[in-house]
Amino acid sequence: KQEVTQIPAALSVPEGENLVLNCSFTDSAIYNLQWFRQDPGKGLTSLLLIQSSQREQTSGRLNASLDKSSGRSTLYIAASQPGDSATYLCAVMDSSYKLIFGSGTRLLVRP
Amino acid sequence: DTAVSQTPKYLVTQMGNDKSIKCEQNLGHDTMYWYKQDSKKFLKIMFSYNNKELIINETVPNRFSPKSPDKAHLNLHINSLELGDSAVYFCASSRTGKVAGGSYNEQFFGPGTRLTVL
Repeated sequence: KQEVTQIPAALSVPEGENLVLNCSFTDSAIYNLQWFRQDPGKGLTSLLLIQSSQREQTSGRLNASLDKSSGRSTLYIAASQPGDSATYLCAVMDSSYKLIFGSGTRLLVRP
Repeated sequence: DTAVSQTPKYLVTQMGNDKSIKCEQNLGHDTMYWYKQDSKKFLKIMFSYNNKELIINETVPNRFSPKSPDKAHLNLHINSLELGDSAVYFCASSRTGKVAGGSYNEQFFGPGTRLTVL
């Protein structure tokens, strides 16, 4: 059974810092891995999707990597801003096309 | 120009009532989903429909019945509501297969419906 774990559960950093969010999964048989952002009381916004054949994806200040063999992904946020404060969710699509979510990392970027 | 929309945004009701949540997507996607986010913010899939056909049905009580009148809509009907049904319900959609210049099976989420059962 696929399980997704995110570390840390919460993170507080001063503005301008570069930071890394971690995601690990137990079964390497995945189709893709998706990073989402969720603001309080809002829906999920897709940030990056990495196909199982890919190693990384970049969008602006965000870079996500995938190491399928070790069951790990990282989301790197460069030059963090207060507007980046949100909960970041990692999800893997398993062999039955189900998206399995981690419990999220709650990020606070202090001005 | 909303991609995935849900109505209502908030739903407060008494135990034992029957209620429906509607979802619509205008992205031309062929697959739609319902997720439940509990009080601990953990998201879990409930159902998935591809071209109006049920393809994923997690262990969800029979009181929950999804209905897909067409590819752009997936509604969720809940009978005999219980206190434990209180949660935020998210609808999502995706296109299976490759899309030009993009990624496939990327899921896009609606804003959520906060259901409170009293």
